Amino acid sequence: GAGVSQSPSNKVTEKGKDVELRCDPISGHTALYWYRQSLGQGLEFLIYFQGNSAPDKSGLPSDRFSAERTGGSVSTLTIQRTQQEDSAVYLCASSLEVIGADTQYFGPGTRLTVL
Amino acid sequence: RKEVEQDPGPFNVPEGATVAFNCTYSNSASQSFFWYRQDCRKEPKLLMSVYSSGNEDGRFTAQLNRASQYISLLIRDSKLSDSATYLCVVNTGRRALTFGSGTRLQVQP
Repeated sequence: GAGVSQSPSNKVTEKGKDVELRCDPISGHTALYWYRQSLGQGLEFLIYFQGNSAPDKSGLPSDRFSAERTGGSVSTLTIQRTQQEDSAVYLCASSLEVIGADTQYFGPGTRLTVL
Repeated sequence: RKEVEQDPGPFNVPEGATVAFNCTYSNSASQSFFWYRQDCRKEPKLLMSVYSSGNEDGRFTAQLNRASQYISLLIRDSKLSDSATYLCVVNTGRRALTFGSGTRLQVQP
């Protein structure tokens, strides 16, 4: 079946502009995660959505970052007033969120470059 | 101290070699453990879960030592296609996974 998809695959923007990154999780997966990976670094957790519960925003690095998930499916990560340090690959993952089946499946990521 | 620590490598090994990666985690309440594989400029993909009793999948063996908070991955008979970065991953109960920075493996002909 279809995996997690993300768009755009690459985004180049100028410092100070806003960007929106999109994630389509695997159909039926109730949990959705956003991570980012800077060059040569591990993945850094940003935000987690589970069903209709309030999202866990504990990983968002600043108030310039926000995310929403509409209808329990598609999610959008928005970065306002982008800075050069925001340059990274932004990865989305989804999972069934059932005990014993919490494997996360990742999308291909969006490579963001802030000039 | 990082929550999950790995030797960044790179490990350069010849084809057919056996190579072992180690990982330590700091949160003793961690609940589940995984090894993910990440190819260059690709997304991470689950390689295997790690169970307390140890588990094997073909040429790959994973072990967990809860007392020492230590996880290992052993790859036997290395193939060129095993070249990748191996990420040690821990679920600390926060639902999101905590990733190590990865260990890079380069298998050479």
